[in-house]
Order: sequence, then C-alpha cells, then structure tokens
Amino acid sequence: DTAVSQTPKYLVTQMGNDKSIKCEQNLGHDTMYWYKQDSKKFLKIMFSYNNKELIINETVPNRFSPKSPDKAHLNLHINSLELGDSAVYFCASSQVGESRGTQYFGPGTRLLVL
Amino acid sequence: GNSVTQMEGPVTLSEEAFLTINCTYTATGYPSLFWYVQYPGEGLQLLLKATKADDKGSNKGFEATYRKETTSFHLEKGSVQVSDSAVYFCALRGNNNDMRFGAGTRLTVKP
Repeated sequence: DTAVSQTPKYLVTQMGNDKSIKCEQNLGHDTMYWYKQDSKKFLKIMFSYNNKELIINETVPNRFSPKSPDKAHLNLHINSLELGDSAVYFCASSQVGESRGTQYFGPGTRLLVL
Repeated sequence: GNSVTQMEGPVTLSEEAFLTINCTYTATGYPSLFWYVQYPGEGLQLLLKATKADDKGSNKGFEATYRKETTSFHLEKGSVQVSDSAVYFCALRGNNNDMRFGAGTRLTVKP
C-alpha cells in the first residue's frame, strides 16, 4: 500500500484555470505538508497542517489554498494558474514525536501551465 | 532562522569512486538531521538520519555523522554505483518541527 499518494501525477492546463491536487496518507500521521520543487530542484515548503490547523504558511500567493477535509487528506487548490506555477508539487506527512518527525513524501504532481 | 547549506553540484564520479557531499546547518536548539534522495522522476525518499550529536546515520552504504562542533552532516559513500545517480538533499528539522531543505546536489555516476 502506498503510504503517501497524490493525484494526478501529471497535470497540463491553460493559464487562468483553477485546478486541485489531492493528497492522501495512510500512515496515521497528524501533520501534512505541501512543497513546491522548481526546475532547479529547489524545494520550498508551502503549507503544513496539523490537526486541521494551518501552522506554517510561507509567503505563497493567496491563489494557493490548502484544504484538509480530514487528518488523512490535504488537498492543494490553485486559482488563476500562471506560467510560473509550473513545477513539481510534493505532498508529505509526519507524526510529531515519532522518529523525530521524519517526513514521508508522495511521488509528486508535475504541473505544466501553458 | 534555521537553514541548511549543501555543496553545489553537479557532482560527476566514476563507478567505485569515493563520494562526499558536504552539508552544514544553522539552527537553535537540537535539530534532527536528514539526508533524502530523489531518483529521476520520483519523490524524495529518506536515506538516513541522525537525531543527536555524534550519531551516525547509515543506509545502503551511505553514512553521515552529526557533528555539533562543526554544525555539519556530510554524506559519504566509499564506492558509488551507477544506480546511486540521483539528487541528494540535506535537511534539518528544528525543535518547532519546521523542516528546512538544502538546495540539493545532483550526483551522476558514470560506468
């Protein structure tokens, strides 16, 4: 069973569209994250959620909004997509206090905005 | 704030060569340190970790020792293989559970 899964794996869309990326973890972790990886492989944390509370919100545009229907899911919704949003987005999860917070990553969603 | 600095790549080695990828960190308190590996087209996978000073993390022939005196966590492998070609990320998790990643180092191993 996949520990952290994301859908879709690939997403190609036009500028101005609204899209969502879904993430699910079956590890029973209490914290989930979204990262953006640019073409140079640099990883930037975007959000993290702990027990449905946003605890980290780096300086990302408000076009990006995380939505967590329950502890096992953290979806990423993006409004009015721009060319610069093209990147790979990774979801991750961890359990505070377990293995000193090792994060487990999903396979990534490759977003291309045309 | 906390930060991680790792050596810039890319690094190109021949098979069976010795590998070192430097990583230094800045943090308050007692962070945990990690190395993650990203194979082409895949997500990040935990390679090894160390949670306190002088701990040595090891996995798949890779090793890294948590050196508090030099604030370093250098990754080493005695004999690399072509299958080790990937991007390697050093990471730190602070006392507030905030995770910081280095910029990544691309390793290419040639037969």
